[in-house]
Amino acid sequence: AQKITQTQPGMFVQEKEAVTLDCTYDTSDPSYGLFWYKQPSSGEMIFLIYQGSYDQQNATEGRYSLNFQKARKSANLVISASQLGDSAMYFCAMREGFLSGATNKLIFGTGTLLAVQP
Amino acid sequence: NAGVTQTPKFRVLKTGQSMTLLCAQDMNHEYMYWYRQDPGMGLRLIHYSVGEGTTAKGEVPDGYNVSRLKKQNFLLGLESAAPSQTSVYFCASSDLPGSQVGQPQHFGDGTRLSIL
Repeated sequence: AQKITQTQPGMFVQEKEAVTLDCTYDTSDPSYGLFWYKQPSSGEMIFLIYQGSYDQQNATEGRYSLNFQKARKSANLVISASQLGDSAMYFCAMREGFLSGATNKLIFGTGTLLAVQP
Repeated sequence: NAGVTQTPKFRVLKTGQSMTLLCAQDMNHEYMYWYRQDPGMGLRLIHYSVGEGTTAKGEVPDGYNVSRLKKQNFLLGLESAAPSQTSVYFCASSDLPGSQVGQPQHFGDGTRLSIL
């Protein structure tokens, strides 16, 4: 069965430092996608970054990058130069592969609460 | 630029009451989803739809029904509300997924539902 694991319930980081949020996944399907979402205290879900299982390079979007290690089944989110506004809950999610049908359904991890300290 | 709109934003129900949550999207997306978010459990899929007139069960469908009569709308119904259904409900939509093209789901702002 497909599964997403985020082992860090909460983390602190100093402003302007980099932080890595861990995500491991489990799937037997060779075609899958990995997403990271940010949920600030206001509650909305904000899409940050995407990595496809066949992508050769790690995805980057501004200050966000995804450290994709396929053999280890990990897709860690790296936030560079943390800002106070980065304080939020972060969710890793996996889109099931096309062998399971092209439904684009997501399986979410339990999230990591990041607090950026001034 | 509305995106995904959920109504209502807050609701308090008594056990046994029924209600419908409405989700509307203006992005012409084929796929729509309903999730619930509970503390410590992330988001779990309730039901989803891959097109107008279609619905399918997700991970936690019991106690809920859905309908997709129009492409832009996806309704979530609670026939007889129970305290265990107290949660934050999110609707999302997405475009057709390409084989390796990321098609992120776009989320509404959520509905906070309390069942007393």
